[in-house]
Amino acid sequence: QVQLHESGPGQLKPSETLSLTCTVSGGSISSFFWNWIRQSPGKGLEWIGYGYYSGTTNYNPSLKSRVTISVDTSKNQFSLHLTSVTAADTAVYYCARQNGGSSADFDFWGRGTLVTVSS
Amino acid sequence: QSVLTQPPSASGTPGQTVTISCSGSRSNLGNNFVYWFQQLPGAAPKLLIYRSNQRPSGVPDRISGSKSGASASLAISGLRSGDEADYYCASWDDSLSGPVFGGGTKLTIL
Repeated sequence: QVQLHESGPGQLKPSETLSLTCTVSGGSISSFFWNWIRQSPGKGLEWIGYGYYSGTTNYNPSLKSRVTISVDTSKNQFSLHLTSVTAADTAVYYCARQNGGSSADFDFWGRGTLVTVSS
Repeated sequence: QSVLTQPPSASGTPGQTVTISCSGSRSNLGNNFVYWFQQLPGAAPKLLIYRSNQRPSGVPDRISGSKSGASASLAISGLRSGDEADYYCASWDDSLSGPVFGGGTKLTIL
């Protein structure tokens, strides 16, 4: 059974860079699309972007200028970097596996990690 | 404002059937499959329906999905207290070149 686990700092100050890692176990990261999705407190789900083991990436246009997603096949991990954070970036961040391109088939999810941006 | 539109709330009594709608446009639901997720309180979303009407292993057959044009629906029959959760629809959007979500529907069991 594939499992995903997010890790990274839970507190940031405005203008800092958010860096999270998702560790994948129970399956190889060298296939599928690996996504980051966030959920602001009491709000709905927002897709941030995905990375593929080949280096291909795809980002939500609303966040594209601040986001980088990379996949490390040697560690079976993928990561999210979001620059210049503000309070609006406070959210639970989920990593999720996307089963096939051009779909919303998120079949495995991490438990999520809360990131709070506050001065 | 979410790209896909869902009612913010729905409710039903134990044993009843409830239907949750999801509407979009040609660039998303009109051209692509719909996916449904259940989010229990304090938990991560869980895939309930994929490719509009397929159930992953372990999802009971009292849960079903359908799609027609740019609209979709999720039906849950034989409601139980454990079905109380938030439900989200999602689809690929050809204009965005990425997945989009509905705003979520909070299901309350009366």
